[in-house]
Amino acid sequence: DSGVTQTPKHLITATGQRVTLRCSPRSGDLSVYWYQQSLDQGLQFLIQYYNGEERAKGNILERFSAQQFPDLHSELNLSSLELGDSALYFCASSVAGGDNEKLFFGSGTQLSVL
Amino acid sequence: DAKTTQPPSMDCAEGRAANLPCNHSTISGNEYVYWYRQIHSQGPQYIIHGLKNNETNEMASLIITEDRKSSTLILPHATLRDTAVYYCIVRSGTMYSGGGADGLTFGKGTHLIIQP
Repeated sequence: DSGVTQTPKHLITATGQRVTLRCSPRSGDLSVYWYQQSLDQGLQFLIQYYNGEERAKGNILERFSAQQFPDLHSELNLSSLELGDSALYFCASSVAGGDNEKLFFGSGTQLSVL
Repeated sequence: DAKTTQPPSMDCAEGRAANLPCNHSTISGNEYVYWYRQIHSQGPQYIIHGLKNNETNEMASLIITEDRKSSTLILPHATLRDTAVYYCIVRSGTMYSGGGADGLTFGKGTHLIIQP
């Protein structure tokens, strides 16, 4: 158990809909990362937050947004969903978001867009 | 971050040592070598990391060549539960590089299959 909690574990929705994925980092970790893993793309970095502020952006679509709240949990919002958004979404956390830190990953949310 | 090259797949017999190679010929002086693994559809799991010296922990050993252009992850007594995709990642050692896509960049990794 990494200490990172993601909910829900599974989500099934339809095209055009909007969903919210939730992540609680390990106790004491200030930085949260979001990754997307699809069969053809592998693990893709989406976005990183540190203590409530956006720190880095990767391959995140404009239809996707995220935020980190004062209690340090994070939410990833996916809107106008398309079939291609079906993937595993992982959240990870680290102590301070530095380059030389271990990342601890949650067990992921499996999103299926029908 | 420097690019890494790993074999796409490897087999190893249960109980034997599994040696997973990684080439990182463009690694720079302040970049660390990290290893993560992902057991089918689970979140990636940190294994070990190092800069110059060989490292060992309860999970594995990391051997880095003197010129730092390649490394080997060693699982000393592989079990069936070690079947996973293993990712070798090179990462800057600075506290924070100041911008850009600072998340770990995962390549395709090595699919290690432990045979009974």
